[in-house]
Amino acid sequence: DIVMTQSPDSLAVSLGERATIHCKSSQSVLYVSNNKNYLSWYQQKSGQPPKLLIYWASIRESGVPDRFSGSGSGTDFTLTISSLQPEDVAAYYCQQYYSVPRTFGQGTQVEIK
Amino acid sequence: EVHLVESGGGLVKPGGSLRLSCAASGFTFNNHSMNWVRQAPGKGLEWVSSISSKNSDIFYADSVKGRFSISRNNARNSLYLQMNSLRVEDTATYYCARDGHYDSSGYGLVVDWGQGTLVTVSS
Repeated sequence: DIVMTQSPDSLAVSLGERATIHCKSSQSVLYVSNNKNYLSWYQQKSGQPPKLLIYWASIRESGVPDRFSGSGSGTDFTLTISSLQPEDVAAYYCQQYYSVPRTFGQGTQVEIK
Repeated sequence: EVHLVESGGGLVKPGGSLRLSCAASGFTFNNHSMNWVRQAPGKGLEWVSSISSKNSDIFYADSVKGRFSISRNNARNSLYLQMNSLRVEDTATYYCARDGHYDSSGYGLVVDWGQGTLVTVSS
């Protein structure tokens, strides 16, 4: 199984400041034949189901604000919120869909400082 | 608009069974792989099972293999999860989730989620 490890577990950032979450996979999720990283990011607000933010490591889902961006390749990935807004308070999860089981990171809770 | 509505959750004793259902609408159900993902209270997300659009590929997490069974009825736009031999550690909110953004091989990721149904396993 591919183990996904996020850091940090929690993060407090001032409004308008940058928030950065890291996700590391125990093996590469880059499929060489199509040069795609099978890595997605989800946001989950309290009491709600998760919501897709980023897929193929760096493609923003339709309707997601452009302050959210994803980067990285192979085993190391980053989700960046460029200017934190009050509505961004949530847990964030990375997931690999390179192989079964489709494993998630443990989650990172983002709060306002 | 995609709608996924889960039902069938509730309180069950250890060793008992439960069948979850997911009613799908707003998209062509038989074109999409579907999943169950669960979340224990206060914990993270755990992928449980997936089924391909035409039932040809089915996968389970090791934690539920041999106890849970995923199925779908494309004529009824419905997804199911039969859960047997339930354990206390199966207590969670179970989400029905649709795949999308497929690659050229037809392999995708979870795009849409239902609101979830709570399963509580307790004596």
